[in-house]
Amino acid sequence: GESVGLHLPTLSVQEGDNSIINCAYSNSASDYFIWYKQESGKGPQFIIDIRSNMDKRQGQRVTVLLNKTVKHLSLQIAATQPGDSAVYFCAENIKNQGGKLIFGQGTELSVKP
Amino acid sequence: ETGVTQSPTHLIKTRGQQVTLRCSSQSGHNTVSWYQQALGQGPQFIFQYYREEENGRGNFPPRFSGLQFPNYSSELNVNALELDDSALYLCASSSPSRSSYEQYFGPGTRLTVT
Repeated sequence: GESVGLHLPTLSVQEGDNSIINCAYSNSASDYFIWYKQESGKGPQFIIDIRSNMDKRQGQRVTVLLNKTVKHLSLQIAATQPGDSAVYFCAENIKNQGGKLIFGQGTELSVKP
Repeated sequence: ETGVTQSPTHLIKTRGQQVTLRCSSQSGHNTVSWYQQALGQGPQFIFQYYREEENGRGNFPPRFSGLQFPNYSSELNVNALELDDSALYLCASSSPSRSSYEQYFGPGTRLTVT
């Protein structure tokens, strides 16, 4: 399938530290990227998006960086809080393939108080 | 909360049976997408409906089918259930006034096939 892997990468950080979650994508025709947060028992929650004509976008406490040269996306969370603990997914949309989103395998973020 | 609702919350079915899952989109959204999320993996795109017509399909067999109604709510039907169909089924809606890629997800239906 397009989303592979049974073992989620995990990232453990101390409350108040900054977190960086990374994602590699494979399709150079992808022109739109989204980060989602998924808490246990819930559906994915939209965090921030970025188009391929940008390399950085900032939101509230979050920043997304896009490096098209190496097909890499990152999500930076400033001053991480216990409520940020969740699984984070990057998703890409390939140009001219409609609204289909292709999700990465996800990273589990654990915030220690 | 996104305003996207799904029913039922949980469902247990036997292999070979058929199941129908339901989704109500957020007010004002006319596009609904369905995803399957196996345990420990990211969601996989099943198909999308726009104005009651299928608008793109992922790599799923024909026994996965759907409908969208005039009020933009949607159903996902799965026939001849297999054990591997056990997963969280997610519905996402999007707004015609924004990029169709910005999708808002419901809480999902957890399907267990025994």
